[in-house]
Amino acid sequence: QKEVEQNSGPLSVPEGAIASLNCTYSDRVSQSFFWYRQYSGKSPELIMSIYSNGDKEDGRFTAQLNKASQYVSLLIRDSQPSDSATYLCAVNPNSGGSNYKLTFGKGTLLTVNP
Amino acid sequence: NAGVTQTPKFRILKIGQSMTLQCTQDMNHNYMYWYRQDPGMGLKLIYYSVGAGITDKGEVPNGYNVSRSTTEDFPLRLELAAPSQTSVYFCASSIVGGRDEQYFGPGTRLTVT
Repeated sequence: QKEVEQNSGPLSVPEGAIASLNCTYSDRVSQSFFWYRQYSGKSPELIMSIYSNGDKEDGRFTAQLNKASQYVSLLIRDSQPSDSATYLCAVNPNSGGSNYKLTFGKGTLLTVNP
Repeated sequence: NAGVTQTPKFRILKIGQSMTLQCTQDMNHNYMYWYRQDPGMGLKLIYYSVGAGITDKGEVPNGYNVSRSTTEDFPLRLELAAPSQTSVYFCASSIVGGRDEQYFGPGTRLTVT
């Protein structure tokens, strides 16, 4: 069973701080990695995708990927109360006929305190 | 574009009843997915489709059936509803499976009592 692990939280940070969200995955040949944000009672929405080792920045968000360590993270700079949500890590294993699918972690609940 | 739409938004079923959750996308995506999400849990894949006429099981298919007669529609059928099927159901679609963003519908909250 290919697994994606996240700390469930809650992770609480003050407004303006950096929030760091972490995710590990078990399938070494995984190729595509995604971070989705899900507000309470709403559907997930994509905020970042990353495919290569290293950092990818988009505004206040930075995704970091380390395939050797099977680790992907999301940093949110200058955290705002509107960032309070559950963040889901998703991995596409791209192997064994499962390349059409994503495996999701359970999500980390982030709370940004004003 | 409406994106991915789902109906109904809420439904209460009695044990043993059946129903169909509707999902429609207007983005001409070939790939469509059904997930369920239980409280505090991530998304579990029920069924997916890579194109009209082609469907396959995901991680938790038992108690569900799907069909894909058109590119736009991907209904999920629950037969003989059980309390374990109480969940929030999300339909999603993508241009290319796996490597591409999945667009999610607003979800259907189902309670089986």
